[in-house]
Amino acid sequence: GENVEQHPSTLSVQEGDSAVIKCTYSDSASNYFPWYKQELGKRPQLIIDIRSNVGEKKDQRIAVTLNKTAKHFSLHITETQPEDSAVYFCAASLYNFNKFYFGSGTKLNVKP
Amino acid sequence: GAVVSQHPSRVICKSGTSVKIECRSLDFQATTMFWYRQFPKQSLMLMATSNEGSKATYEQGVEKDKFLINHASLTLSTLTVTSAHPEDSSFYICSAYTMNEQFFGPGTRLTVL
Repeated sequence: GENVEQHPSTLSVQEGDSAVIKCTYSDSASNYFPWYKQELGKRPQLIIDIRSNVGEKKDQRIAVTLNKTAKHFSLHITETQPEDSAVYFCAASLYNFNKFYFGSGTKLNVKP
Repeated sequence: GAVVSQHPSRVICKSGTSVKIECRSLDFQATTMFWYRQFPKQSLMLMATSNEGSKATYEQGVEKDKFLINHASLTLSTLTVTSAHPEDSSFYICSAYTMNEQFFGPGTRLTVL
């Protein structure tokens, strides 16, 4: 099955700095890569996603890049704010969204 | 966005009892729902894929007789933890896929004494 690895496990940045979280996946058949934000005690919320036919996608302060050859994708958050503090999960999906496999998560702490 | 609910949000039970968790898609029909388990400060582990009108597909290492899944309608999937033990204590989250996005339920915190 698919194996998704995520780094780092924790990340502390100063408010206004950028944050980068990286994930790798093992199955070249994966074709959809969402990123989720989960605040303490709450459900995961989709923040951005990318499909395998695109190399980069941006939504305001958040961007995701995908390198299919190397099988890795990254989340970039610019101008971080304290409210960005949360756990972020990457995921990879096989077989046209039928199954999602999650990375181990990154706890982002944005210090004011 | 689409709304997925779970019930109960918290449950405490004695060891050896069974617990049923419901997952409902409130404003859409879901032929497929997913059940995840999340340990404290850890990731979501896919347990099984729940398919309406057919048997669930379990991930490797997940005991299907321990975690019974029933997807009786297009809006309801249930997970029953049978003969629960303290090691089954965890946060269980369901999700459903629609509109090219996966929507999660709020989760159920299960504590087995």
